[in-house]
Amino acid sequence: SQTIHQWPATLVQPVGSPLSLECTVEGTSNPNLYWYRQAAGRGLQLLFYSVGIGQISSEVPQNLSASRPQDRQFILSSKKLLLSDSGFYLCAWDSGGRGYTFGSGTRLTVV
Amino acid sequence: QQPVQSPQAVILREGEDAVINCSSSKALYSVHWYRQKHGEAPIFLMILLKGGEQKGHDKISASFNEKKQQSSLYLTASQLSYSGTYFCGTDQGGSNYKLTFGKGTLLTVNP
Repeated sequence: SQTIHQWPATLVQPVGSPLSLECTVEGTSNPNLYWYRQAAGRGLQLLFYSVGIGQISSEVPQNLSASRPQDRQFILSSKKLLLSDSGFYLCAWDSGGRGYTFGSGTRLTVV
Repeated sequence: QQPVQSPQAVILREGEDAVINCSSSKALYSVHWYRQKHGEAPIFLMILLKGGEQKGHDKISASFNEKKQQSSLYLTASQLSYSGTYFCGTDQGGSNYKLTFGKGTLLTVNP
């Protein structure tokens, strides 16, 4: 069966520090992968998506970046966090007719 | 282009019905519906594809009017477990491998 893992679950980071969030998918190959961010009480904002290794599409200009070093691995990074980067980060993969499956999310607080 | 959801919030008593609407200014290939409980990741409910169809399982169903670029989610005889935020996600098809989500509708079902 297909599963998606995302970690860490919670993160508190100081302003200006780096960030690395990792997402891996099991049980499928060449998945379309996505990073979404959700501010408190808000909707889901698409940050990046990838249709294959090394292929990254950016939706919102910001100080975040994404990489896909392996087929089932998707990483969200930042060199220097801003207060506005706080939020709930969700990784997702597209299972076609069964919609998107989301990871359990990372709650990031930048202090 | 972000789809527009209405209403923003709705409060029901157990057993009552609700309709949540989602409209887009762009032609759509598919519409997804998700439910998110507080602090959790969104869960896929159903997908409706271009061609104008209606789907449902249990007491939750949805319709997709391709010409009007609108979809509606119908919740009948609501249960306490239906509480949460409902999101529609729209896909314009083609080489667009991404879902754009509405801002969500907060549904509260009270005893």
